[in-house]
Amino acid sequence: EAQVTQNPRYLITVTGKKLTVTCSQNMNHEYMSWYRQDPGLGLRQIYYSMNVEVTDKGDVPEGYKVSRKEKRNFPLILESPSPNQTSLYFCASSLTIDQYEQYFGPGTRLTVT
Amino acid sequence: QKEVEQNSGPLSVPEGAIASLNCTYSDRGSQSFFWYRQYSGKSPELIMFIYSNGDKEDGRFTAQLNKASQYVSLLIRDSQPSDSATYLCAVKGEYGNKLVFGAGTILRVKS
Repeated sequence: EAQVTQNPRYLITVTGKKLTVTCSQNMNHEYMSWYRQDPGLGLRQIYYSMNVEVTDKGDVPEGYKVSRKEKRNFPLILESPSPNQTSLYFCASSLTIDQYEQYFGPGTRLTVT
Repeated sequence: QKEVEQNSGPLSVPEGAIASLNCTYSDRGSQSFFWYRQYSGKSPELIMFIYSNGDKEDGRFTAQLNKASQYVSLLIRDSQPSDSATYLCAVKGEYGNKLVFGAGTILRVKS
């Protein structure tokens, strides 16, 4: 089954404790992206990757890191999480940046206390 | 000014009516426009995309684009309770590297 998977789905952590949210797709997509969704603000792009070893900042990159060592994986790293990073996070992928449809993962709800 | 603006709603329509969802965008060079549906607690799913002025129809859904007015809309005919969701407008800018989303409009279809 073609899909984007994220882990964990739910995470409660404390300020300053490093965490990684994994994202994996099995569709051989080149383009992958991370979004956060907050009430009233919609989906905002954190980072995106056009292909392996090619990443770039989105609109809200502060406090986040990413890497793209393999085509299928695009982990999101929070080196020192803070309460303002409490949010719902979505990973998405598409065949290329020009392909219209982005496939979204199921989401990761993160709470930082 | 937000790059992509939508009325947050909720927009309430009776079952069988036409629901009209609107979106405006600020980047005049935007090339592609998308409507996503997001059920509560779920991830967004693409309903339609449009990139030329005019109308594009797909089943009960019609997307309308007016680049001169920087306006895109989604019409849902014969609305069903299962259409109740948040509808996200998304715009791909001139340089095409990212998708900018509006905050979404909550639609409620009452049976």
